Amino acid sequence: EVQLVQSGAEVKKPGESLKISCKGSGYSFTSYWIGWVRQMPGKGLEWMGIIYPGDSDTRYSPSFQGQVTISADKSISTAYLQWSSLKASDTAMYYCVRGLREAIDYWGQGTLVTVSS
Amino acid sequence: SYVLTQPPSVSVAPGQTARITCGGNNIGSKSVHWYQQKPGQAPVLVVYDDSDRPSGIPERFSGSNSGNTATLTISRVEAGDEADYYCQVWDSSSDRVFGGGTKLTVL
Repeated sequence: EVQLVQSGAEVKKPGESLKISCKGSGYSFTSYWIGWVRQMPGKGLEWMGIIYPGDSDTRYSPSFQGQVTISADKSISTAYLQWSSLKASDTAMYYCVRGLREAIDYWGQGTLVTVSS
Repeated sequence: SYVLTQPPSVSVAPGQTARITCGGNNIGSKSVHWYQQKPGQAPVLVVYDDSDRPSGIPERFSGSNSGNTATLTISRVEAGDEADYYCQVWDSSSDRVFGGGTKLTVL
């Protein structure tokens, strides 16, 4: 069974750093891309970026370029999303997702990030 | 950047047919994918590549795509279909793009 299991909810202060994770199982981790999707409270889905775990080729949506870093460790089938300095506006649910071509076929359960002073 | 436009809401009575549109410039030349998101849950793929269904998705869900509009059609709507629906495409300038989402209300 394909699973994407994300790390737990986080509560952080503005200016703090954060790295959340997404562990894939039940499939060949390097054969599919992993992406990240943001959903702010009460809002729609926003594409953040993608990584190909086989070679770590990474691409960012223009809206998120320079704001976050996507990485992966194929030895442990885990992808990451990190911030160096959080803002209150980063408060959202973050989903890791898997895809083969253009569509997303599996979603993680989501990681809620709350940034508040 | 490429923009996908969805109506904010669609309402339909149980047993009727719901149609949710997704507009984009020459979207008919792209592959469109649709996701269903129920409250408090992660989205689920319901249609991919315009009109294909993943295993486990009822035949009541179908899709079409032509010109500047793609459509998700839900036949014989049930109360359990009430959810937010999002379309998505890949675009060379924007990578993956989502529509703004449509809230389907079953009356």
